[in-house]
Amino acid sequence: AQSVTQLDSQVPVFEEAPVELRCNYSSSVSVYLFWYVQYPNQGLQLLLKYLSGSTLVKGINGFEAEFNKSQTSFHLRKPSVHISDTAEYFCAVSEDDYKLSFGAGTTVTVRA
Amino acid sequence: DADVTQTPRNRITKTGKRIMLECSQTKGHDRMYWYRQDPGLGLRLIYYSFDVKDINKGEISDGYSVSRQAQAKFSLSLESAIPNQTALYFCATSDRGEKPQHFGDGTRLSIL
Repeated sequence: AQSVTQLDSQVPVFEEAPVELRCNYSSSVSVYLFWYVQYPNQGLQLLLKYLSGSTLVKGINGFEAEFNKSQTSFHLRKPSVHISDTAEYFCAVSEDDYKLSFGAGTTVTVRA
Repeated sequence: DADVTQTPRNRITKTGKRIMLECSQTKGHDRMYWYRQDPGLGLRLIYYSFDVKDINKGEISDGYSVSRQAQAKFSLSLESAIPNQTALYFCATSDRGEKPQHFGDGTRLSIL
């Protein structure tokens, strides 16, 4: 069965600094990987996805993630954050085309 | 207008009451899902439906039931609400063969 571990529950960061959110997964088969963002009082919005092909995936709002099969990781990065990036971020994994397993979430707080 | 609409957005009720949360979508997707979000646990799948006649239990279906009234409508019921069902509930949709899911803005349910 698939599972996801987000290694940091809270990440404080200063505006214009880089940020990395770590995600590790476990699965016995090939997986599809996703990062979602949840802004306050809103639903989840897809940031980016890895289905196949290039292991470096670019998403919306300047985010990117790298799939590392040997380390079973899918870490999310942004080189320079803005106040508006303050949100909760979820890593998710799927072994098929419908069931998603989510990590516990990482709260990013961007300070001026 | 939102593609995935959940009603109500907020609900406070008492233990033992019957509650129905509703979800409607304009995306024309076949698949619909109900999740609950608890702090520190991420999102967990309650039920999912591939079409009107195909409904399946997720990982935490006990205490919940669902109804797929039409392709566009999927409701979640708590027959006799209990306090540990206090959570944020999300509806999501996806198209057949499309892996990312699309989320509504959530229903915040408090059971006293």
